[in-house]
Amino acid sequence: AQSVTQLDSQVPVFEEAPVELRCNYSSSVSVYLFWYVQYPNQGLQLLLKYLSGSTLVKGINGFEAEFNKSQTSFHLRKPSVHISDTAEYFCAVSEPGGYQKVTFGTGTKLQVIP
Amino acid sequence: GAVVSQHPSRVICKSGTSVKIECRSLDFQATTMFWYRQFPKQSLMLMATSNEGSKATYEQGVEKDKFLINHASLTLSTLTVTSAHPEDSSFYICSARSTGFTEAFFGQGTRLTVV
Repeated sequence: AQSVTQLDSQVPVFEEAPVELRCNYSSSVSVYLFWYVQYPNQGLQLLLKYLSGSTLVKGINGFEAEFNKSQTSFHLRKPSVHISDTAEYFCAVSEPGGYQKVTFGTGTKLQVIP
Repeated sequence: GAVVSQHPSRVICKSGTSVKIECRSLDFQATTMFWYRQFPKQSLMLMATSNEGSKATYEQGVEKDKFLINHASLTLSTLTVTSAHPEDSSFYICSARSTGFTEAFFGQGTRLTVV
């Protein structure tokens, strides 16, 4: 079984400041890791994913994440946030394979303060 | 990326009636589709997994007779909430994957309100 922990339910940050959203996972097998963003009353949009290879993954909208196998973490970072980044962010994990289900963390609400 | 279309985006129904939500993969064949439920300010809870042509596999605690899932083709899955009650009000999201993909693609979600 696999699980995802997002320790921070809310993260307030001032505009143009850097931000890190934390994610830890547990799994007994190799996994794919994802970060999704959700705007109010909308579905999920993929920010980035880690499958294998380089541990630093770059995604859309200036976000990046680093896979750390020893710490079982996949933290999301952005060097300078904008108001438009205010949204809910979900870390997720799945086993490799097109039929595998995705398990989500509880989400982190990023609130960018003008 | 691939596109998944979910319809309707919002629906209001009377208690005791049934509601059908459609999930379509527009530009790929979805071998597997997933249905999630999301309560306000909470994460997505997987309800069921469906493979084309097979019966859906429901997660523990999900009533299969209440939430009917059909995956009749490689591009369409439907979720029918039968005899809906106010406690079924929620945000329902579908996602679709294919054996050739490394990620799932999500629909826009459906806000169901039962009055």
